[in-house]
Amino acid sequence: DAKTTQPNSMESNEEEPVHLPCNHSTISGTDYIHWYRQLPSQGPEYVIHGLTSNVNNRMASLAIAEDRKSSTLILHRATLRDAAVYYCISNTNAGKSTFGDGTTLTVKP
Amino acid sequence: DAGVIQSPRHEVTEMGQEVTLRCKPISGHNSLFWYRQTMMRGLELLIYFNNNVPIDDSGMPEDRFSAKMPNASFSTLKIQPSEPRDSAVYFCASSLGYSVGSEQFFGPGTRLTVL
Repeated sequence: DAKTTQPNSMESNEEEPVHLPCNHSTISGTDYIHWYRQLPSQGPEYVIHGLTSNVNNRMASLAIAEDRKSSTLILHRATLRDAAVYYCISNTNAGKSTFGDGTTLTVKP
Repeated sequence: DAGVIQSPRHEVTEMGQEVTLRCKPISGHNSLFWYRQTMMRGLELLIYFNNNVPIDDSGMPEDRFSAKMPNASFSTLKIQPSEPRDSAVYFCASSLGYSVGSEQFFGPGTRLTVL
């Protein structure tokens, strides 16, 4: 798996957009980029994933740099329920995701 | 769908006792994963199965840990004998397919405390 680097923590105000960065400079051409989040006292939940093109779903958007060495998870309007640890994962091993330390997002009312 | 089901949700036991954690994956999913989460080590993959067959158990900490998947709808993670350092939250996850793009669905976890 390619190593990923994320900031330890970030803060956001409620109703504002949040951009969570992830560096994956050793990513290979077949590595997908996955994002999961873990709310307090819950198991991780899938957020979004992509390979080369930017991706959108009901939860978030994923912007992938042209060289694929970094990506950004975008929450368009942060709510208090979005406070969680966000994990960025890049994997080639089929079905296997290695979770790092993630970014703890705090949302202020 | 009820999602991934884990039992028990909480387990308190004494050092030396056998502990069995149970998981029911989402129906139709053919990959199953066991993770352990602690403050010190974060979220670690212990073992994963595809079509009931263990594919990678390199994350299993030692011989005291064993996992089985006798059929597509049930898996167990057993610790025998348990030690205080095994205290953690254990998550089971399942996914449809085995490809690198597969989304994993996690259960609520079992919080294990070994006294």
